[in-house]
Amino acid sequence: NAGVTQTPKFQVLKTGQSMTLQCAQDMNHNSMYWYRQDPGMGLRLIYYSASEGTTDKGEVPNGYNVSRLNKREFSLRLESAAPSQTSVYFCASRLRGFGYTFGSGTRLTVV
Amino acid sequence: AQSVTQLDSHVSVSEGTPVLLRCNYSSSYSPSLFWYVQHPNKGLQLLLKYTSAATLVKGINGFEAEFKKSETSFHLTKPSAHMSDAAEYFCVVSDQNRNAGNMLTFGGGTRLMVKP
Repeated sequence: NAGVTQTPKFQVLKTGQSMTLQCAQDMNHNSMYWYRQDPGMGLRLIYYSASEGTTDKGEVPNGYNVSRLNKREFSLRLESAAPSQTSVYFCASRLRGFGYTFGSGTRLTVV
Repeated sequence: AQSVTQLDSHVSVSEGTPVLLRCNYSSSYSPSLFWYVQHPNKGLQLLLKYTSAATLVKGINGFEAEFKKSETSFHLTKPSAHMSDAAEYFCVVSDQNRNAGNMLTFGGGTRLMVKP
């Protein structure tokens, strides 16, 4: 099915470990986004990529890096995980003029 | 700058009674407004969107929302709640004049509980 695919769905990390969250979309969308969701705070934008080859910081970029590998893929990396990064992460994509499509989320726990 | 305030963090209704989830926004430009729903352990699903056409917007599952510019509100309503409506709802604003893909700003969410 067409859409946004995120992997993994669940992950537990120890403080200081690194990992990469993968996101891929097969809808030929230009823009891709990473959000984190915390209780009572809605979704906050971490990084976005308006088009292939460009990335920009969002509202809460500290502690994260991203790579727009190609038009389909937009990965989020935690170099040294901290308990404050325990959250649910959503990847989304959008074709300009149309709506957003979200992935099903990655639940990350940092202990 | 744009912002979204969902006025209630929790709303509880009885099955068959009306639902009202309140949302106020601020935006420097002509906004697009959305309501998303998230069921437990699921991703986000678009309920409806307003993009400067009709001010009364109809969405899926019997929900609708009315854009009121004078009140900067975009409240979500449904005439009769169903048990399956129990979920968390997010009001979202997108600034149409921003560059780089029209980023979304989310409200804090309203958890809707439906009692039998």
